Amino acid sequence: ETGVTQSPTHLIKTRGQQVTLRCSSQSGHNTVSWYQQALGQGPQFIFQYYREEENGRGNFPPRFSGLQFPNYSSELNVNALELDDSALYLCASSLLWTASDSTDTQYFGPGTRLTVL
Amino acid sequence: GQNIDQPTEMTATEGAIVQINCTYQTSGFNGLFWYQQHAGEAPTFLSYNVLDGLEEKGRFSSFLSRSKGYSYLLLKELQMKDSASYLCAVRDPLYSGAGSYQLTFGKGTKLSVIP
Repeated sequence: ETGVTQSPTHLIKTRGQQVTLRCSSQSGHNTVSWYQQALGQGPQFIFQYYREEENGRGNFPPRFSGLQFPNYSSELNVNALELDDSALYLCASSLLWTASDSTDTQYFGPGTRLTVL
Repeated sequence: GQNIDQPTEMTATEGAIVQINCTYQTSGFNGLFWYQQHAGEAPTFLSYNVLDGLEEKGRFSSFLSRSKGYSYLLLKELQMKDSASYLCAVRDPLYSGAGSYQLTFGKGTKLSVIP
């Protein structure tokens, strides 16, 4: 148990719809990162939030957006869903990594399995 | 560009030793992680290397050579519950000097432990 929770566990949507996924960080962690993991692949970095602002972004289009709240929980929003968005969406919490804090790691939640039909 | 390679699948016998290799070419490097992921579950942290050499943690050990861009995860006394995917991930900077990082993952190695 990492203390990171995500909801919902599973979700089925149709093409063109919008979806919101939620994540609660481990206590004491101020940074949330979101990853997309397609079947048989490793997780791919979507973006990271720190102090309610986007702190970095991977190679994902703008229809992937997010929020972080004052309690450090976070949302991932995906608009205009496409079939290829079907994946396991993972959030990971951590302390903001600095050069002096190099031993910390990211702790993953159980994920949300999104199916787009 | 970012490139992390690891074998797709491996099979080993219960009680044996298995080594899972990982090679990487990334634009930045601030440590290498190994995660274990059972089917349908979240990755769980196994080990972390930032300096060259071997880190041992119980039945699991991880090795890093930064000059060769190479790491391996060694699993000893294999148990059936070790059947899982093993993910190699490099921590690289989001921006130069910003003090924040992302994880870049390989595709994972699916390990099957057989009796």
